[in-house]
Amino acid sequence: QVQLQESGPGLVKASQTLSLTCRVSGVSIGSGGHYWSWIRQHPGKGLEWIGCIYYSGSTYYNPSLKSRVSMSVDTSKNQFSLKLTSVTAADTAVYYCARTFVMVAIGDGWFDPWGQGTLVTVSS
Amino acid sequence: EIVLTQSPATLSLSPGERATLSCRASQSVSTYLAWYQQKVGQAPRLLIYDASNRATGIPARFRGSGSGTDFTLTISSLEPDDFAVYYCQQRSNWQGFTFGPGTKVDIK
Repeated sequence: QVQLQESGPGLVKASQTLSLTCRVSGVSIGSGGHYWSWIRQHPGKGLEWIGCIYYSGSTYYNPSLKSRVSMSVDTSKNQFSLKLTSVTAADTAVYYCARTFVMVAIGDGWFDPWGQGTLVTVSS
Repeated sequence: EIVLTQSPATLSLSPGERATLSCRASQSVSTYLAWYQQKVGQAPRLLIYDASNRATGIPARFRGSGSGTDFTLTISSLEPDDFAVYYCQQRSNWQGFTFGPGTKVDIK
């Protein structure tokens, strides 16, 4: 079955860049058909979509984070990555990666499955 | 911008009871709405997509309904494993994906 696993530093200093990688197993990112997303959850709070990427490198980002976010994909390693620049304490959250079903022509899409999540704490 | 609101914020019920969760969109999202379950310390799990389609492996006691701006997730008979937080989610071409604030179903 499809599985996703996030990895990266659990502690990032304020003003620096948060970098995470999501390794995918059970399906080839390069086969297309799905996007791949990053979603975060602030401690005790709800869910916030950060952005998604297709195997071709095409991306969509949350407008509220767009100026600080970049995503990339490495089909040879079957993984995709997130970079979030100029982090502050407000970026402390559990970060999830997820396979994303997107119907580009219409407003449809959902996430399935999700990785287990990784907590990233921004320290001052 | 499409905003999702969920009600109630908390639902206190006993095992075996029926749970009815509401999600309302600030403008029509047709049937393009999904529901997720999140247990403490776990990642969310997809339950329903396109308003009423159960995801793979989801028990039949979970039923999604609605269209336009009003949606409902019904759990016909709560099992101990169902006590969790439930989120609705939509996608729009201009703002991407957004989630509702969640409904917590806890044990009465």
